[in-house]
Amino acid sequence: GAVVSQHPSWVICKSGTSVKIECRSLDFQATTMFWYRQFPKQSLMLMATSNEGSKATYEQGVEKDKFLINHASLTLSTLTVTSAHPEDSSFYICSAEKYGGTEKLFFGSGTQLSVL
Amino acid sequence: RKEVEQDPGPFNVPEGATVAFNCTYSNSASQSFFWYRQDCRKEPKLLMSVYSSGNEDGRFTAQLNRASQYISLLIRDSKLSDSATYLCVVILTRLHMNYGGSQGNLIFGKGTKLSVKP
Repeated sequence: GAVVSQHPSWVICKSGTSVKIECRSLDFQATTMFWYRQFPKQSLMLMATSNEGSKATYEQGVEKDKFLINHASLTLSTLTVTSAHPEDSSFYICSAEKYGGTEKLFFGSGTQLSVL
Repeated sequence: RKEVEQDPGPFNVPEGATVAFNCTYSNSASQSFFWYRQDCRKEPKLLMSVYSSGNEDGRFTAQLNRASQYISLLIRDSKLSDSATYLCVVILTRLHMNYGGSQGNLIFGKGTKLSVKP
């Protein structure tokens, strides 16, 4: 089956630090990757859609200068939380859509970010 | 009206019970439908796709009603291990103007929490 690797699994950092999260499709090419955020006891919220070779599309209310997304290849997308603050503490998950339009999503295992 | 709506629950049921979840969607052009299961602080895992003809996988049955714009998930003979949050996912595929391909507009419901008790 398709595997999506997300790294790191957890990060603890000081306020003002920038944190990069990687999402890799290990055995398939992903034209589209998605980034989500989930606060405790809340639902998964789509932050942005990332297409290889083009700018990411951000959902309403998500600051593109705060959450930088780079989808430089068909197997890697990165999310950088710039100048993180305690309110950015959350569970971040990526998913990838397998090239060929299967319309099935394969999820990374998530990154728990805690900003002190 | 929200794009995808689910009853948040929680649904508290005894083992062996049959439980049904519904999910409504607002965009009639939506093309693909799925149920995902998410355990606490874990990534969602695909449970099953949903087709107009209905599909069944063991104790799980999913149905799509395009006319009424809702999908359902039925769990029979529920087990303790079924306790989780069930997410309804709707995909609206649209053309991406920049490169002429298609792009999925992915919409998650807020999830329905199920607790199965002994």
